[in-house]
Amino acid sequence: AQSVTQLDSHVSVSEGTPVLLRCNYSSSYSPSLFWYVQHPNKGLQLLLKYTSAATLVKGINGFEAEFKKSETSFHLTKPSAHMSDAAEYFCVVTSNTGNQFYFGTGTSLTVIP
Amino acid sequence: SQTIHQWPATLVQPVGSPLSLECTVEGTSNPNLYWYRQAAGRGLQLLFYSVGIGQISSEVPQNLSASRPQDRQFILSSKKLLLSDSGFYLCAWNAGIDSPLHFGNGTRLTVT
Repeated sequence: AQSVTQLDSHVSVSEGTPVLLRCNYSSSYSPSLFWYVQHPNKGLQLLLKYTSAATLVKGINGFEAEFKKSETSFHLTKPSAHMSDAAEYFCVVTSNTGNQFYFGTGTSLTVIP
Repeated sequence: SQTIHQWPATLVQPVGSPLSLECTVEGTSNPNLYWYRQAAGRGLQLLFYSVGIGQISSEVPQNLSASRPQDRQFILSSKKLLLSDSGFYLCAWNAGIDSPLHFGNGTRLTVT
């Protein structure tokens, strides 16, 4: 069965420092993986997606993620945090049929000025 | 380009009243459509998804129902709301297998 674990429920960083949001997945096949961002009272916005092409995926707003099959991880990073990055982040994995999605419980990112 | 519209943005309804939330997608045809609920401080729970007109799959037993009367229209309904139905409801669509979900801006439902 597919599952997603976001290892940190809350992450706090200072503005201008690197961001690391961790995600591990469990799957018996090679899934598609996504990261989404959600600002308060808004829908989820796609940051980036991995669909079995390059293992290092670049997304919007300076974010990127690296797919590591041996570690079953898909961690989200950004070299320098901005105040506008403060939000909730969700890691998502697809089912083996590719038409259902499994969401992590989210990581709340706080950026300290 | 494709857009998704969801309304209303906020809704306050008394217990026992009916509910109708509407979602429409523009700029694509035959999308997969989804309804999710997000309780405060928690992740997303899939309620319904649809791969075509009149085809609805329910993931969680509840007093909610969904309908897809047109290709790009998805409606979430209830005949009698419960307090536990309060939450943030999100509609989403995608183009097919392994394609990402695209979300509407959500509806904040408060049942009083």
